[in-house]
Parts: sequence; C-alpha cells; structure tokens
Amino acid sequence: GQQLNQSPQSMFIQEGEDVSMNCTSSSIFNTWLWYKQDPGEGPVLLIALYKAGELTSNGRLTAQFGITRKDSFLNISASIPSDVGIYFCAGHGETSGSRLTFGEGTQLTVNP
Amino acid sequence: DTGVSQDPRHKITKRGQNVTFRCDPISEHNRLYWYRQTLGQGPEFLTYFQNEAQLEKSRLLSDRFSAERPKGSFSTLEIQRTEQGDSAMYLCASSPRGYRGRNEQFFGPGTRLTVL
Repeated sequence: GQQLNQSPQSMFIQEGEDVSMNCTSSSIFNTWLWYKQDPGEGPVLLIALYKAGELTSNGRLTAQFGITRKDSFLNISASIPSDVGIYFCAGHGETSGSRLTFGEGTQLTVNP
Repeated sequence: DTGVSQDPRHKITKRGQNVTFRCDPISEHNRLYWYRQTLGQGPEFLTYFQNEAQLEKSRLLSDRFSAERPKGSFSTLEIQRTEQGDSAMYLCASSPRGYRGRNEQFFGPGTRLTVL
C-alpha cells in the first residue's frame, strides 16, 4: 500500500523563526493536503494541492506539490506560539480512490 | 457552526460491550469518511460513503465494525464486542462532490474511545 514518510518528527524553534517540513510518498499522488491537529481535536485543513509544481499560500503558510508528484513540503514563516501542534501531510493517488493516506506527523513546539 | 460534528466526544466502555458513534457531516457534502487514529500516529482510513452507499472499506474494518449512512446524511459507526485494542480516536470527515478530482476532507472533533 501507499506509504508516506514525513520529516522531521519533531521541531523545537524560537518564536519568529521559519519552519519547513516535508513528505515523500512511495507512489505518485494526485492530491496533497496539509492539516494541523491540536490535542484532543480533529485535524484542520490548512492547504490543498492538486497539480504538480503547484505552490499555494495561506497566510504565513506555503505548501508545494512536488514536480515528481511523490513529495510535498510545508513552510511556516515567522512562527508564533499558536503554531504549536502536530502537522500532518496527507494525500491520495490514482489507485487509492478517495481514501487519504496520512504521514506520521511533525510535532512543532514554538518557544516564546 | 456548520462544521462536521461527532457525538459523543468521549466514550469509556468495558471490554465486550458494544458502542455506537454518530457523525453529522457538513450540509450538502455527499461524501463521508471514517478514520481511526492511535496515539502518535496519523489517521488511518476505515470506510467511505458516497451518499448512502458504502463504497470503500479498509482491511482495518473487522467484522466487529459496521458503519451506516441510511439517508445519505448522518452516519453511525458501531463496534461490537469491544477490545482494548479498539481504544483510539475515531474521526469522521466529509467532502463535497468532487470537482476535477478535488478531495478536500474536513474533519470533525473526533470521538475518543477508551476500552477498559
């Protein structure tokens, strides 16, 4: 089945720093989605990507759909304390129907 | 609030008991998904409905699990004869009718199940 490798597993940064995390897939994806999850809550959709090479921003967040269609990255600029949480990449390919495959998450800690 | 809602938010049960969870998707979303998430992991797909039809089921969905979406609106997930390994967060998501392959899934707050 499809597998997603997400890195890094955790990050500890100072407020104001930029952050970058990425995901790689064992197979070609048609869709990449990035979510943020707070403790005890469901994932919240941040950015959706549908075309290879697509670069999309949502405020301080920027994500790109890799041109090989097997990777994606998420950047957060000028981090603030409320950016703390777990960030998940997710996606699906041509053979996976509508089910999303999730990465294992990146735990982000922002020190004020 | 017009987001995905789930009930209950928390459920504690004894091993062997049956439990049922409810999900109300975003209005007019015809697709509904169930995922399971254990601590430290990303959500794992369980099953998917388009309107009232259950179109996909994961191998994770053993015969003790059953999901329904009888009128194409809300959905229920039932676990029979619960086991301690069923302890997890059960997440529901919905998405609108796909346009050009779009599949933005919006998640509810989840139901945290603890099996003692």
